[in-house]
Amino acid sequence: AQSVTQLGSHVSVSEGALVLLRCNYSSSVPPYLFWYVQYPNQGLQLLLKYTTGATLVKGINGFEAEFKKSETSFHLTKPSAHMSDAAEYFCAVSETDSWGKLQFGAGTQVVVTP
Amino acid sequence: DAGVTQSPTHLIKTRGQQVTLRCSPKSGHDTVSWYQQALGQGPQFIFQYYEEEERQRGNFPDRFSGHQFPNYSSELNVNALLLGDSALYLCASSLPGANVLTFGAGSRLTVL
Repeated sequence: AQSVTQLGSHVSVSEGALVLLRCNYSSSVPPYLFWYVQYPNQGLQLLLKYTTGATLVKGINGFEAEFKKSETSFHLTKPSAHMSDAAEYFCAVSETDSWGKLQFGAGTQVVVTP
Repeated sequence: DAGVTQSPTHLIKTRGQQVTLRCSPKSGHDTVSWYQQALGQGPQFIFQYYEEEERQRGNFPDRFSGHQFPNYSSELNVNALLLGDSALYLCASSLPGANVLTFGAGSRLTVL
């Protein structure tokens, strides 16, 4: 069975500082991995995904994530936080043969302070 | 290009009632998945429809049922509502065999 653990339900960062959101997964098979962002009163928007190939994945809005199989991790980073990055972020995993069926983590709320 | 549209955006029901939520997928998408997002939690997969049939199902009771129409739109029905059914219900569409989902803004259900 799959599971996703996001460390830290709330993260506060200063504008211009590094954003680091941690995600660890458990899966019996190599999974597909995703990061989604949810702004207030909106649906989820895909930031980036890892399926196969290069383990460093670049996404929208300057975010990137690195798949580390040995650590079963897929941490999300952004070098310099912007006020518009304030949102909730979800890590998700999908088995390769279960397209569309995602297992989400509990989410991390990001607050950006001036 | 319209994305995924859901209706209604908000609704209030009482325990024991039934509710129907609707979803129109993104243009060109023919697969619809439904998720339940309780307050403070990540979305949980309910089920997925493709070619008017339920293809995958999560760990939800039979009170949760769905339907997909020939135009690919979908409905989620919940019978005998419980307080615990209060949540944001998200619809997501995709191309068949694709893991990239496009989400709607959701329908927020409150059960009193």
